[in-house]
Amino acid sequence: EVQLVESGGGLVQPGGSLRLSCTASGFTFNTYWMTWVRQAPGKGLEWVANVKQDESEKYYLDSVKGRFTVSRDNAKKSLYLQMNSLRVEDTAVYYCAKGGDYSAWTFDAWGQGTLVTVSS
Amino acid sequence: EIVMTQSPATLSVSPGERATLSCRASQSVSRLLAWYQQRPGQAPRLLIYDASTRATGVPARFSGSGSGTEYTLTISSLQSEDFAVYYCQQYDSWPPLTFGGGTKVEIK
Repeated sequence: EVQLVESGGGLVQPGGSLRLSCTASGFTFNTYWMTWVRQAPGKGLEWVANVKQDESEKYYLDSVKGRFTVSRDNAKKSLYLQMNSLRVEDTAVYYCAKGGDYSAWTFDAWGQGTLVTVSS
Repeated sequence: EIVMTQSPATLSVSPGERATLSCRASQSVSRLLAWYQQRPGQAPRLLIYDASTRATGVPARFSGSGSGTEYTLTISSLQSEDFAVYYCQQYDSWPPLTFGGGTKVEIK
């Protein structure tokens, strides 16, 4: 069974940093693109960043570019999101998601999400 | 950036009835469109990809159609577990990958 488990969320002040982690199991992690998607309270889904299997390609939402860094450790079957210079508008549940078997740009497995709250 | 617009925002349907959800893209997405279901308090679940292909384990009452800029998700006979929010997502032109604002299907 495919499982994705996020951790690392919490309350942080504006300008602060957090590092999210996502641990994968049940599939061959190093053969899939991985993605972070967020959802602000009561709002819709927003793609944040994704990373290729070998980290040779990384892409970001414009509003997080230069502040967030996506990375992965295939040996540990883990995905990370380093979030710096956090803003109130970054408050959201952050999901990690696995690229689909047919298309890397669809997401066929999701974690349960971790809540990031940016507030003073 | 391709903007995805879903309508209606809320759809009230009785159990057993048919539901039709729409998704419009600001430019053609060449059928590179997915649909997701999100139940309250849960993560999204992939239903449809490539506009009309059901993901593994998705019941046949869910079907997708469309082309160019206009796409539809149809639920042929609503079951209690289908009351949820549905999102479309394009993956034709990115970054960014973009989602629609969602359609909430509620019990009438």
